[in-house]
Amino acid sequence: GAVVSQHPSRVICKSGTSVKIECRSLDFQATTMFWYRQFPKKSLMLMATSNEGSKATYEQGVEKDKFLINHASLTLSTLTVTSAHPEDSSFYICSARGLSYNSPLHFGNGTRLTVT
Amino acid sequence: SQQGEEDPQALSIQEGENATMNCSYKTSINNLQWYRQNSGRGLVHLILIRSNEREKHSGRLRVTLDTSKKSSSLLITASRAADTASYFCALNINDMRFGAGTRLTVKP
Repeated sequence: GAVVSQHPSRVICKSGTSVKIECRSLDFQATTMFWYRQFPKKSLMLMATSNEGSKATYEQGVEKDKFLINHASLTLSTLTVTSAHPEDSSFYICSARGLSYNSPLHFGNGTRLTVT
Repeated sequence: SQQGEEDPQALSIQEGENATMNCSYKTSINNLQWYRQNSGRGLVHLILIRSNEREKHSGRLRVTLDTSKKSSSLLITASRAADTASYFCALNINDMRFGAGTRLTVKP
């Protein structure tokens, strides 16, 4: 089946530093990738929709300069949390959709970010 | 709102019993998808039902869709302890949004 690899799975960083999270579709091409944030026992909050070769579309309330998304190829999207603060600590999950609009999403295993 | 809302929020049953979860929504959809999430992991796609379909089966899973009522249900038959997880419905519009989910606990 389709596999999405997300790295790192866990990261601890100090306030003010930046963290990059990678999301790769290993055996299929993903024209669209989605980035979500999830708080404990809560649902996934859509942060942005990333289309290959174009700028990401951010949801209302999500700071573009804070959460930089790059989708340079059909198999790789990255999320960079810039100047991280403790309130950015969360579980970040990426997902990728294949070329067909009706394709299901394939999810990475998430990244647990802790900012100290 | 462009996301589904699952009901109930939490469900606890004994192994062997059936579990039914519902999803209601307010907008037009292309398809509706159900996902499962084990604690601390990503989501796993379970089943996709298109807007012109009424029912779909996959193993012990049965999904129904009623577009006139804007609702869908997920039935897990003969549940197992390993089915313990959170279940989400997702509406495929232009993007994919998730409701709060149903936390299912299956007791051995």
